[in-house]
Amino acid sequence: QVQLQESGPGLVKPSQTLSLTCTVSGDSISNGDYYWSWIRQPPGKGLEWIGYIYYTGSSSSNPSLRGRVMISLDTSKNQFSLKLSSVTAADTAVYYCARGCFGGDCYLDSWGQGTLVTVSS
Amino acid sequence: EIVLTQSPGTLSLSPGGRATLSCRASQSVSSGSLAWYQQKPGQAPRLLIYGASSRATGIPDRFSGSGSGADFTLTISRLEPEDFAVYYCQQYGSSPWTFGQGSKVEVK
Repeated sequence: QVQLQESGPGLVKPSQTLSLTCTVSGDSISNGDYYWSWIRQPPGKGLEWIGYIYYTGSSSSNPSLRGRVMISLDTSKNQFSLKLSSVTAADTAVYYCARGCFGGDCYLDSWGQGTLVTVSS
Repeated sequence: EIVLTQSPGTLSLSPGGRATLSCRASQSVSSGSLAWYQQKPGQAPRLLIYGASSRATGIPDRFSGSGSGADFTLTISRLEPEDFAVYYCQQYGSSPWTFGQGSKVEVK
């Protein structure tokens, strides 16, 4: 059974870069069956898709984040990572990593528990 | 981008009741590429339905999804105590993937 676990700083200063890593166990991000995604949820609000990456390194992100997103992967560690630059208080949220797009159907079938990132000086 | 509007915002029902949740898209969702998730406080979302009507692994048959085009419905036939939660729809037919704002099912 696949498990995903987010890790990274819980506090980031405004204008800095938020960096998170998702460690995957029980599945290989290199097998090409899935895309690997980041989703966030501001406190008390709904869900927002941030972006995904495929094992080839191909990635896509939400245009609403205006080019601030970089998603990368480390197949040797079975991890993928998120960098969100120039953060503001509006980027305060619980950040989730998730697995999706089996057979091209991009529903998200497995999620990490989420990690809260607060943007504050 | 496709905007998903869920209704009602909050549904107050008793255990054993029937819940009907709506998800309406601003344009047609291609190939029925719509999913439903359940989220409880402090937990990650859990996949319930994909492809508008297919139940995910391990999901009880009291959960059912229907719809096509721009109108979709999640029905919970007989509410169990563990079903009181927030429900989100998501479309993945076109990028960017988007979620509805959520519908809360609470105990009456």
